[in-house]
Amino acid sequence: GQQVMQIPQYQHVQEGEDFTTYCNSSTTLSNIQWYKQRPGGHPVFLIQLVKSGEVKKQKRLTFQFGEAKKNSSLHITATQTTDVGTYFCAGPLGNAGNMLTFGGGTRLMVKP
Amino acid sequence: NAGVTQTPKFRVLKTGQSMTLLCAQDMNHEYMYWYRQDPGMGLRLIHYSVGEGTTAKGEVPDGYNVSRLKKQNFLLGLESAAPSQTSVYFCASSYRAGRNTEAFFGQGTRLTVV
Repeated sequence: GQQVMQIPQYQHVQEGEDFTTYCNSSTTLSNIQWYKQRPGGHPVFLIQLVKSGEVKKQKRLTFQFGEAKKNSSLHITATQTTDVGTYFCAGPLGNAGNMLTFGGGTRLMVKP
Repeated sequence: NAGVTQTPKFRVLKTGQSMTLLCAQDMNHEYMYWYRQDPGMGLRLIHYSVGEGTTAKGEVPDGYNVSRLKKQNFLLGLESAAPSQTSVYFCASSYRAGRNTEAFFGQGTRLTVV
């Protein structure tokens, strides 16, 4: 069936290092969303990408949507301890695109 | 502005018991979702609804039923709880799935089945 996959599952970095998580869909997506979940919290929306090849930035976070609209990435420059959490990508799957389907997430741990 | 509210926040059930999780949103969203989150498994879609009176199966619907009698409420039922249903359950809502909109999540319900 249609899936959204994310790698890596875990990432340990030293504070100040960069971090990247990758998301791949088995099917072309109309858009992709990114969420962050802090430990013990609930997912919180970060951004949505819609256009092929789109790149968006939020301070130290850079989001990209692939040309084929089947993959995406989130890059964090110079990580901080406040970046700790799990980052999820999500896309609308299903025949009608009504199933908001999440990737498995990448858990980021930052050593101070 | 409450957003998405889930009740209860915690619950312990014995195997075979039934219960209903309630999700309420005050943002007039059409779409509502129920997810379960297990360690290392991400968020898996159980059921969803695209409007009042409609429901559909997600990725892992077995053992669960849902109802959307009112636009603002989405109920998740477990008829006969099993230990495999121990999980954290999240409800979410949005105006539409993936149409320049975001999904808002509730705080979650931590369910333990013993």
